[in-house]
Amino acid sequence: NAGVTQTPKFQVLKTGQSMTLQCAQDMNHNSMYWYRQDPGMGLRLIYYSASEGTTDKGEVPNGYNVSRLNKREFSLRLESAAPSQTSVYFCASSGQGASQPQHFGDGTRLSIL
Amino acid sequence: KNQVEQSPQSLIILEGKNCTLQCNYTVSPFSNLRWYKQDTGRGPVSLTIMTFSENTKSNGRYTATLDADTKQSSLHITASQLSDSASYICVVSALSGYALNFGKGTSLLVTP
Repeated sequence: NAGVTQTPKFQVLKTGQSMTLQCAQDMNHNSMYWYRQDPGMGLRLIYYSASEGTTDKGEVPNGYNVSRLNKREFSLRLESAAPSQTSVYFCASSGQGASQPQHFGDGTRLSIL
Repeated sequence: KNQVEQSPQSLIILEGKNCTLQCNYTVSPFSNLRWYKQDTGRGPVSLTIMTFSENTKSNGRYTATLDADTKQSSLHITASQLSDSASYICVVSALSGYALNFGKGTSLLVTP
């Protein structure tokens, strides 16, 4: 049982390059999330998808776009990477209900030079 | 502004000892409080989730308590093991919306 799978695990980009981070879950969850984690800060929500075909902005959406390709997959795109987007990116999914736990992938470590 | 504050920032304990981590929050209206464990280089893993009506919940050697009146929670780890070395994150959910409010975490190191 893989849970939430993120690819790639590591990536180095140059300023201005574009990139798509991939996320897939095999738990049949409706809700999926993208977070970023920076040193000394709590996780911050970038985008959220309540179900296939719907997406909503989170706390820090600027510079990012998302696509909920189907129920399993939720991708995050950086159109023109900036050094401020250097971070660890986590994808998560959860089932229906406010008290359902979020299941996280192991993250993509992204450095932008 | 909804906030979640954790203390201490970091903690070192000897293997076999107990410890307690603290979480204070100002999130309102309150829905639930979660504790996650995050190993280095891994994603967070859920330990417990407590709603307003629950004041204690256990998961093996981990016991979380919640005082919704004072807006405080604690995570008690019993008979610590080396594998307990990790960051422990307190997360509070509000009734409105889907967003979770994450604390910055307490970094725990268990030494032999």
